[in-house]
Amino acid sequence: NAGVTQTPKFRILKIGQSMTLQCTQDMNHNYMYWYRQDPGMGLKLIYYSVGAGITDKGEVPNGYNVSRSTTEDFPLRLELAAPSQTSVYFCASSYSRTGGSLYFGEGSWLTVV
Amino acid sequence: KNEVEQSPQNLTAQEGEFITINCSYSVGISALHWLQQHPGGGIVSLFMLSSGKKKHGRLIATINIQEKHSSLHITASHPRDSAVYICAVGLIIQGAQKLVFGQGTRLTINP
Repeated sequence: NAGVTQTPKFRILKIGQSMTLQCTQDMNHNYMYWYRQDPGMGLKLIYYSVGAGITDKGEVPNGYNVSRSTTEDFPLRLELAAPSQTSVYFCASSYSRTGGSLYFGEGSWLTVV
Repeated sequence: KNEVEQSPQNLTAQEGEFITINCSYSVGISALHWLQQHPGGGIVSLFMLSSGKKKHGRLIATINIQEKHSSLHITASHPRDSAVYICAVGLIIQGAQKLVFGQGTRLTINP
């Protein structure tokens, strides 16, 4: 079982470049999330989606965009990368709207120089 | 004050010791999650609790809703238990579960 798959695992970007972090899950989960984890800090929610075609902002959405054209895919787009976006990014999914275990991808390490 | 506070932030113990990690929160929640983050970075869900106690192998998680407190216990600890343990509380906002995360407890078990 693949679970939640994120790509790329590592990436170095120059300031001002753009890129997309890919996230795919094969568990037919409606709920998907993007988090970022900065050193010594708890995970922060960037964007989330409750189903195909529906997305909403989390705590730290500035500088990011998402789309959800299918149940399986939830890509995160970084526009005009800035050093403040250097972080580890995690995609996650869950089945239940009222809770349920979270399944995480392996993380994407992004450095903006 | 953070909505989710974990203690201790760092814990070092010898193999075989009984480990307790605590989590206190200040908001009403739908559920509480305990997660394990391995040194390589991957995050695994250990437990989801809304009341009482759950056990899986050597891991036990308890929650006291009235006191807004949860504990994660590890019995007969082993070096492979070394990881960061993260407490997260689930809030239902606009129809979706949103998690608020603690900063994590870094556990090191020495042989």
